[in-house]
Amino acid sequence: DSGVTQTPKHLITATGQRVTLRCSPRSGDLSVYWYQQSLDQGLQFLIQYYNGEERAKGNILERFSAQQFPDLHSELNLSSLELGDSALYFCASSVGTSDEQYFGPGTRLTVT
Amino acid sequence: GEDVEQSLFLSVREGDSSVINCTYTDSSSTYLYWYKQEPGAGLQLLTYIFSNMDMKQDQRLTVLLNKKDKHLSLRIADTQTGDSAIYFCAPRGSYIPTFGRGTSLIVHP
Repeated sequence: DSGVTQTPKHLITATGQRVTLRCSPRSGDLSVYWYQQSLDQGLQFLIQYYNGEERAKGNILERFSAQQFPDLHSELNLSSLELGDSALYFCASSVGTSDEQYFGPGTRLTVT
Repeated sequence: GEDVEQSLFLSVREGDSSVINCTYTDSSSTYLYWYKQEPGAGLQLLTYIFSNMDMKQDQRLTVLLNKKDKHLSLRIADTQTGDSAIYFCAPRGSYIPTFGRGTSLIVHP
């Protein structure tokens, strides 16, 4: 158990819908990262927050957004969902801005 | 940006050594991490090496770093069936964390 929690574990929704994925980092960690993992694209970095501020941005689509709240938990919002958004979404946390990351168990999103 | 290359598959017999290789492009990488992902689970930090080191040993794991060639390897001694997983190389230098595509290690009894 890494100490990072993610909810929900599974999510099935229809195209065009909007979903919110939630992540709670390990106690004491200030950075939260979001990743998308699919068979064809591998593990893609989406975005990083550090202590409430956006720190780094990767291949995140405009339909996706994230935020980190004052209690340091984070949410990833995915809107206008497409079939190709079906993937595993991982959250990770670290103490600082570039330390080792601790990954949550992931949310499996299926868009039908 | 950073490019990280790994072979996609490695098949070994139980009890043999496994060597997983990784090449990267970002010479400013300060920490180079190895993560393990078992089926249906998130990535788990396995080990790491600091860029001023050539080698790090941690029980059955040995990490070798050739900074000149930007080549990183992970050796698993006495490979067990429980080592079957996907192994990700993740050099960290710039703001953007980058992971290789992962090497699937298949261990045959």
